[in-house]
Amino acid sequence: DIQMTQSPSSLSASVGDRVTITCRASQGINNYLAWFQQKPGKAPKSLIYAASSLQSGVPSKFSGSGSGTDFTLTISSLQPEDFATYYCQQYNSYPITFGQGTRLEIK
Amino acid sequence: QVQLVQSGAEVKKPGASVKISCKASGYTFTSYYIHWVRQAPGQGLEWMGIINPSGGSTSYAQKFQGRVTMTRDTSTSTVYMELSSLKSEDTAVYYCARKSIAVWDYWGQGTLVTVSS
Repeated sequence: DIQMTQSPSSLSASVGDRVTITCRASQGINNYLAWFQQKPGKAPKSLIYAASSLQSGVPSKFSGSGSGTDFTLTISSLQPEDFATYYCQQYNSYPITFGQGTRLEIK
Repeated sequence: QVQLVQSGAEVKKPGASVKISCKASGYTFTSYYIHWVRQAPGQGLEWMGIINPSGGSTSYAQKFQGRVTMTRDTSTSTVYMELSSLKSEDTAVYYCARKSIAVWDYWGQGTLVTVSS
């Protein structure tokens, strides 16, 4: 199975900040990498697919980059609604696997 | 509009089975694969498997092989996920999600399954 490791596990930031979350795959995943946002008690929401493609309807403040095994999610100009947990996911091969999540909290 | 509506919360005893439904509407049911994912309390997301509603083919995570069965009913646009031999560790919220090419674009609201004696 491909292991997905996110860092940091938690992150405190202020409204207006720019933050970056990193995701590393245990082997190359051909850019088959997605990012999800999850708020408490809600289903996850797709943000990014194919490492850097923005899901329809998602604001451009979210951006993804990376290739091979190392990927990043960047969120610019944080707003209160952005404080949530973020997960990366590889869909290069089965079983699909997720990172352990990064909890983004208000400082 | 596209919707995935899941069945309600369940409480089961260890060793029992649970069958959760995910009813699709607002699109052509047989045109999109459905994934199942679960999330234990306070934990991350865990992929369980995928079903092709068109032919009914499935692929399951090895962890659940032998315990999980995913089926579909095209007459009602519903997919089902049955998990057997339940243990306390199966207590989780179970989600279905639609796969559109590379994107998991619509999710069900989640179904809480509690396994307790």
